Amino acid sequence: NAGVTQTPKFRILKIGQSMTLQCTQDMNHNYMYWYRQDPGMGLKLIYYSVGAGITDKGEVPNGYNVSRSTTEDFPLRLELAAPSQTSVYFCASSYSPGAHDYGYTFGSGTRLTVV
Amino acid sequence: DQQVKQNSPSLSVQEGRISILNCDYTNSMFDYFLWYKKYPAEGPTFLISISSIKDKNEDGRFTVFLNKSAKHLSLHIVPSQPGDSAVYFCAASGNSGGSNYKLTFGKGTLLTVNP
Repeated sequence: NAGVTQTPKFRILKIGQSMTLQCTQDMNHNYMYWYRQDPGMGLKLIYYSVGAGITDKGEVPNGYNVSRSTTEDFPLRLELAAPSQTSVYFCASSYSPGAHDYGYTFGSGTRLTVV
Repeated sequence: DQQVKQNSPSLSVQEGRISILNCDYTNSMFDYFLWYKKYPAEGPTFLISISSIKDKNEDGRFTVFLNKSAKHLSLHIVPSQPGDSAVYFCAASGNSGGSNYKLTFGKGTLLTVNP
């Protein structure tokens, strides 16, 4: 059981380039989330989805886009990369909103550097 | 504005002793509180949670205490083991039935348990 898989693990982008961070889960979870973690900071919610075809903005959505065409996949798109987007990106999923008794399942992260 | 605050960036304890990690919050609408543990180069993993209707929840060596009137919670680890060395994140969310169910994270506390 793979859980939440994120690719790539590392990436260096030049300013202005674009890329897609991939996230796939095999637990049939309806809820999926994208967070970013900057050094010394907590995780900030970028976008989330409550099911296929439904997405919504989180706390820091500017510069990003998402889509959710299937239950399993929730890719995050960066258009026109900027140095401020240098961060570690985590994808997570949960069976129910909040998932208070067992939490979210997180992927291992993508470390992105924009130069 | 930080709704979930972990004011100690780091904590160092001796193996076998108690580790106490603290967390404060400002949003009175938070109903659930969770602790996550994160090792380097891995995603956060769920540790333990507590509902606002309780003041204590324990799971093995881990106990979370909630003081709702003070908007404060703490995680106790007894006895501490070197394998507990990690970053611990406090997170909070509102009721699943509302729109505030998504997790808000603190900045984390790096716990080091010395042999």
